[in-house]
Amino acid sequence: DTAVSQTPKYLVTQMGNDKSIKCEQNLGHDTMYWYKQDSKKFLKIMFSYNNKELIINETVPNRFSPKSPDKAHLNLHINSLELGDSAVYFCASSPLSVSLETQYFGPGTRLLVL
Amino acid sequence: RKEVEQDPGPFNVPEGATVAFNCTYSNSASQSFFWYRQDCRKEPKLLMSVYSSGNEDGRFTAQLNRASQYISLLIRDSKLSDSATYLCVVNVGNQGGKLIFGQGTELSVKP
Repeated sequence: DTAVSQTPKYLVTQMGNDKSIKCEQNLGHDTMYWYKQDSKKFLKIMFSYNNKELIINETVPNRFSPKSPDKAHLNLHINSLELGDSAVYFCASSPLSVSLETQYFGPGTRLLVL
Repeated sequence: RKEVEQDPGPFNVPEGATVAFNCTYSNSASQSFFWYRQDCRKEPKLLMSVYSSGNEDGRFTAQLNRASQYISLLIRDSKLSDSATYLCVVNVGNQGGKLIFGQGTELSVKP
């Protein structure tokens, strides 16, 4: 059973398009995250939700809008895609919103903007 | 200065070698510390947590020095399967488990 799943796994699209990435976790965790890993392999947090409430919102263009319909799902919608948005986007979840717990990552969505 | 800094490598070592990775972090309020492993084109996975007293898990030993804001990982008797990127991770924890990742150290173990 996949603990944290993401769809799609690969996404190739044109500049200017709008796209969404979906994430689901079946671990019963309270907190979910979106990370971006760029071409230099640097992994950086974008957003975090705890029980459907936004907790962390890093300096991310407002073209990126996360949505959490329930605590098992956290989707990421991206408007007006740009070349620089090409990256691997990882969803993650953790059982508590305090610091000691570790995070479990999904397999990633490889986004290529042409 | 990056919040978490690592030597990117690559470290190329023969099987059976001992290899050590170092990491420094800048936020003295950091609350918890981890080493994650990321295989090529895969997601990061937790390797081990790092405690002030030092901790060992088989061939892997992690150390934390809060005064120096320094974290290390020692791998003994390297296996081919240890080839991966090792990510030093710090949780500043002010707002719901915020993980700050180092850029990773690439390890390649050769026969």
